[in-house]
Amino acid sequence: QKEVEQNSGPLSVPEGAIASLNCTYSDRVSQSFFWYRQYSGKSPELIMSIYSNGDKEDGRFTAQLNKASQYVSLLIRDSQPSDSATYLCAVKTGGFKTIFGAGTRLFVKA
Amino acid sequence: KAGVTQTPRYLIKTRGQQVTLSCSPISGHRSVSWYQQTPGQGLQFLFEYFSETQRNKGNFPGRFSGRQFSNSRSEMNVSTLELGDSALYLCASSLVDRSYTEAFFGQGTRLTVV
Repeated sequence: QKEVEQNSGPLSVPEGAIASLNCTYSDRVSQSFFWYRQYSGKSPELIMSIYSNGDKEDGRFTAQLNKASQYVSLLIRDSQPSDSATYLCAVKTGGFKTIFGAGTRLFVKA
Repeated sequence: KAGVTQTPRYLIKTRGQQVTLSCSPISGHRSVSWYQQTPGQGLQFLFEYFSETQRNKGNFPGRFSGRQFSNSRSEMNVSTLELGDSALYLCASSLVDRSYTEAFFGQGTRLTVV
């Protein structure tokens, strides 16, 4: 089992829709969870961090964490074509090592 | 505030050579992590340094090594380069090495081994 798993996609949504990205992790003692966005040919850019169970909202982005289910998600409301990118889920494990999922490619159709 | 700076941005090396990549973290950040990114494997963790000490290491051969200096700048070295080492090498810096800190990436060094 991979330490951090994401559906590779591509996930295609129409402009204005909600995009839902999911991630599961295996290390139960993980305490820090991050979502990064990476455009083709660029380095990852931090979008959200979440440390407690529940929802955390920042503009059009909402991160959701459920430690009991070892599940993290990212919702993008009112998706725009500029949101088309690869979204990386990252988990800081109990050993303070940050492990990344393989990423989910998102396409937002105009 | 300056971001994470990686040099050089691009490198072309020949098999068997060695290479050194440099990373200057955000001012005040003391933790530096290195990653290798390839299309097939995604972002793979190489190692993490904090206060000049390697705190974590990924599953890479001993040809990959690194170090951190007292000013938190870090270098990674790859010896006896192989074609499969061609990748984007990314470094990320964090304020401290506790759990509740966010990491910010540099622009990366794209290494091509021919």
